[in-house]
Amino acid sequence: LAKTTQPISMDSYEGQEVNITCSHNNIATNDYITWYQQFPSQGPRFIIQGYKTKVTNEVASLFIPADRKSSTLSLPRVSLSDTAVYYCLVMPAGGGNKLTFGTGTQLKVEL
Amino acid sequence: GAVVSQHPSWVICKSGTSVKIECRSLDFQATTMFWYRQFPKQSLMLMATSNEGSKATYEQGVEKDKFLINHASLTLSTLTVTSAHPEDSSFYICSARDFLLLATSTDTQYFGPGTRLTVL
Repeated sequence: LAKTTQPISMDSYEGQEVNITCSHNNIATNDYITWYQQFPSQGPRFIIQGYKTKVTNEVASLFIPADRKSSTLSLPRVSLSDTAVYYCLVMPAGGGNKLTFGTGTQLKVEL
Repeated sequence: GAVVSQHPSWVICKSGTSVKIECRSLDFQATTMFWYRQFPKQSLMLMATSNEGSKATYEQGVEKDKFLINHASLTLSTLTVTSAHPEDSSFYICSARDFLLLATSTDTQYFGPGTRLTVL
């Protein structure tokens, strides 16, 4: 499984756009990139998944460059409720079993 | 859709007792469920993979005789912490994969809300 590296923490203010970058230099051809969000004392929640270029949903956007060695989760106009830990994971398509969670990024949003 | 529940949400027990935690997929069938443990300020650590109708696969360092896993149906897996001790106090989280999505590219796992175990 490809190892991921992301910043330990980030601070932002309400209304700003937050970009969290994840490095996954050893990503395999059939790997997808998935981001989860976790609030204290809750299970992780799926945010977005992508393979290449850009993926957007109602919550976030995911940017993946051509070499796929990194990815950026973009949260538009964050609010206090976006304060959470964000995990970047790399997993094979269709058959990936184990999820290896890295340290994650603690995002703190202030007024 | 894709809801996973856990029961109880929190439990406090005395040292030496056993505690059972249930994980249910409410609106889908899950041939595979996973159990994680998370200590304060740390990331999730996979403990074991639970397969319906077969023995669980434990990660290295996880005692299978202490953490008993049963996956008797496509919607229920249980984790029993036997002879619990204070060091077993943690946040236990289960996840499940949708059986019908096994062949798709979006291999998403759905997580339960977690169970806070405190052993006195």
